[in-house]
Amino acid sequence: SQKIEQNSEALNIQEGKTATLTCNYTNYSPAYLQWYRQDPGRGPVFLLLIRENEKEKRKERLKVTFDTTLKQSLFHITASQPADSATYLCARLSGTYKYIFGTGTRLKVLA
Amino acid sequence: DAGVIQSPRHEVTEMGQEVTLRCKPISGHNSLFWYRQTMMRGLELLIYFNNNVPIDDSGMPEDRFSAKMPNASFSTLKIQPSEPRDSAVYFCASSLAVQGGLETQYFGPGTRLLVL
Repeated sequence: SQKIEQNSEALNIQEGKTATLTCNYTNYSPAYLQWYRQDPGRGPVFLLLIRENEKEKRKERLKVTFDTTLKQSLFHITASQPADSATYLCARLSGTYKYIFGTGTRLKVLA
Repeated sequence: DAGVIQSPRHEVTEMGQEVTLRCKPISGHNSLFWYRQTMMRGLELLIYFNNNVPIDDSGMPEDRFSAKMPNASFSTLKIQPSEPRDSAVYFCASSLAVQGGLETQYFGPGTRLLVL
């Protein structure tokens, strides 16, 4: 099956540090991988998309890397803030329109 | 733009009752997705519409679930009869499909369903 796995344990970090979240996938490399943020009681919000031929993508304090050899994507938030506390979901493209989502990793940034 | 609108936001019903969830996608978007989210299984795609036509309903759990999109601005997801295991948060998302896989999905706020 085309599984996508995220660490289900919550990640707690101190304000100002870099948060790193991991997304692992199996069986084949997706052409695209997306990262979303989800706050309690709300729907996911798109953050970044990275293509399989891109090693790295940046947006402000966010950085996503894509390692097709390790079958892994890393999501980094630099200079983290308490407002960054949320659940972060990764999703891999399966086919031409269908994204398979991971279960998400809950991040808590401590002041 | 108001974003994707879903109603109701919360629904509590008894087992065996019919439940109808509603979605208004973002104007101009041509793709609509219904998802279900639970702690155990995460976010699962139930059905995908493109230009109001159901393209992939392989995620619909069983015949008790049905979805329609009568026009570009409205979709429903119906569960009849409902069961306690249907309790979850149901999200509707829309996107403008230009090149497969590249489009951003915009999610609604979700409907939290509890079946007693």
